[in-house]
Amino acid sequence: AQSVTQLGSHVSVSEGALVLLRCNYSSSVPPYLFWYVQYPNQGLQLLLKYTTGATLVKGINGFEAEFKKSETSFHLTKPSAHMSDAAEYFCAVSEDRDDKIIFGKGTRLHILP
Amino acid sequence: GAVVSQHPSWVICKSGTSVKIECRSLDFQATTMFWYRQFPKKSLMLMATSNEGSKATYEQGVEKDKFLINHASLTLSTLTVTSAHPEDSSFYICSARLAGGWDNEQFFGPGTRLTVL
Repeated sequence: AQSVTQLGSHVSVSEGALVLLRCNYSSSVPPYLFWYVQYPNQGLQLLLKYTTGATLVKGINGFEAEFKKSETSFHLTKPSAHMSDAAEYFCAVSEDRDDKIIFGKGTRLHILP
Repeated sequence: GAVVSQHPSWVICKSGTSVKIECRSLDFQATTMFWYRQFPKKSLMLMATSNEGSKATYEQGVEKDKFLINHASLTLSTLTVTSAHPEDSSFYICSARLAGGWDNEQFFGPGTRLTVL
């Protein structure tokens, strides 16, 4: 069965600094990978997704993630953090286009002024 | 496009009563909808998968008689929490998968905050 591990329940970065949120997955087949963002008391918004093809995926709000099969990782990055990036970020995996999506436990991103 | 709504956005009810939460895909058809539960500062826990016109598939440990799911049309799924108790208080989020979609992207509703007194 697939699973997701997000390292660090809380990450703090200074405004303008690099954002790096780590995600490792476990899957028996080539995975579909997702990053979602959640603002307080709201649902989830898709940042980006990897299905097939190019391993570097660009998403909204300047975020990108790279699928590394050898490392079973799908880390999320952004070159320069903005105050508005403060939110909860969830990495997720599914094993098939029709399979359920399994979420990691989430990482709370704090942006320091 | 791909907007999912939930109603109500929040509800407070007395212990022992039942509460219905609606999930609608506003501008697309969804053969499959999902119901999640999120505890404070926790991840999303998948409760059940709802397929239009068929019975829902519940995850292990989720009481199907307590959390009734109906997916009556391609744009509407409902979750009814029966005989609610304080421990059922939580944030319930639904998502919908585009019918015929190829990449398993789910579109999420804004969530419903349930408080059981």
